[in-house]
Amino acid sequence: DIVMTQSPDSLAVSLGERATINCKSSQSVFSSSTNKNYLTWYQQKPGQPPKLLIYWASTREYGVPDRFSGSGSGTDFTLTISSLQAEDVAVYYCHQYYSVPLTFGPGTKVDF
Amino acid sequence: EVQLVESGGGLVQPGGSLRLSCAASGFTFRSCWMHWVRQAPGKGLVWVSRINPDGSNTDYADSVKGRFTISRDNAKNTLYLQMNSLRAEDTAVYYCIRDPVDGRRAFDFWGQGTMVTVSS
Repeated sequence: DIVMTQSPDSLAVSLGERATINCKSSQSVFSSSTNKNYLTWYQQKPGQPPKLLIYWASTREYGVPDRFSGSGSGTDFTLTISSLQAEDVAVYYCHQYYSVPLTFGPGTKVDF
Repeated sequence: EVQLVESGGGLVQPGGSLRLSCAASGFTFRSCWMHWVRQAPGKGLVWVSRINPDGSNTDYADSVKGRFTISRDNAKNTLYLQMNSLRAEDTAVYYCIRDPVDGRRAFDFWGQGTMVTVSS
């Protein structure tokens, strides 16, 4: 099974400042046949289901603000919120869809 | 508008059974892989199971293999999760999720979830 880890567990960032979340997979989630990293980021606000933010490690889902960006390849990935807004307070999860069983990171709580 | 509406959750005793349903609308259900993901109270997300568009291929997390069965009825646009031999550790919100056919391998729509509580 691919184990996903995230750091930090939580972080507090001032409004307007940058937030950076790291995600690491125990095995590469890069597919050489498709040239894609099957790494996805989700945002979950209290009392709501998760929302898709980023897929293929760096492609923003339609409608997601451009202050959210993803980077990385292979086993190391980063989600960056360039300028934290109040509505970004949430838990962020990374997720690998490279192999079954699909697995999620433990989540990173972002607050200000 | 894509909608996924789960139902069937509730309180059940350890060892009991429950069947969850997910009514899908607003998209071509028969073309999509579908998944169940669960979240225990105050905890993270855990993938449970998936099923391919025609229902011929399924996968499960080890923690539920042999106890849970995923299925679908494409004529009724409905996804199911039959849960048997339930344990306290199965207590969670269960989300029904769409996995689009476009190759993104991402969960682009989630239902609101249905709560399952296993307790005596």
